[in-house]
Amino acid sequence: DGGITQSPKYLFRKEGQNVTLSCEQNLNHDAMYWYRQDPGQGLRLIYYSQIVNDFQKGDIAEGYSVSREKKESFPLTVTSAQKNPTAFYLCASSTTSGSSLTQYFGPGTRLLVL
Amino acid sequence: QKEVEQDPGPLSVPEGAIVSLNCTYSNSAFQYFMWYRQYSRKGPELLMYTYSSGNKEDGRFTAQVDKSSKYISLFIRDSQPSDSATYLCAMRRYSGAGSYQLTFGKGTKLSVIP
Repeated sequence: DGGITQSPKYLFRKEGQNVTLSCEQNLNHDAMYWYRQDPGQGLRLIYYSQIVNDFQKGDIAEGYSVSREKKESFPLTVTSAQKNPTAFYLCASSTTSGSSLTQYFGPGTRLLVL
Repeated sequence: QKEVEQDPGPLSVPEGAIVSLNCTYSNSAFQYFMWYRQYSRKGPELLMYTYSSGNKEDGRFTAQVDKSSKYISLFIRDSQPSDSATYLCAMRRYSGAGSYQLTFGKGTKLSVIP
């Protein structure tokens, strides 16, 4: 089955700790995205990548970092600089050609601070 | 004024009712319009997307776009309890350097009561 997988489903972070959220896709999509979802605020873009070894900051990139070493993978690190990391994190992917460019989402990772 | 406005609800309707969900937008650069459905603690799934003004139908769902009024709607006919979810509108614009970004509404929480 083609799709996007995110792991873990739940993640707990201690004060001052960096944590990494995994995102893998087998849709052969060039573009991948990370969003943060908070209650009542909708989805906000953290980082996105149009191609391997390249990525751009979204609207709320501070306190986060990413890498794109492989087409299939786009891990997100929540650093200790992110002071309010508790949220639902969603990874998405899309093609970069054609008219639709629809984004497809993974199941999400819920990050909680201990 | 936010780029995309969506009433968060909650909206509660009896089974079999016609549901109308709406979003307004202020940026004329938005070209593609999408509706996503998100069940609790899950990733959003794409329901419909459309480009031009007018109606697009898919089963019990109809997406309507009025570019002159900057207004989009999603209608659900014969609503079912399984339609209970949060519905997110999303709009795509070109963001430069060959990339596109989605801007999401905050989502409307719908409950269909048996």
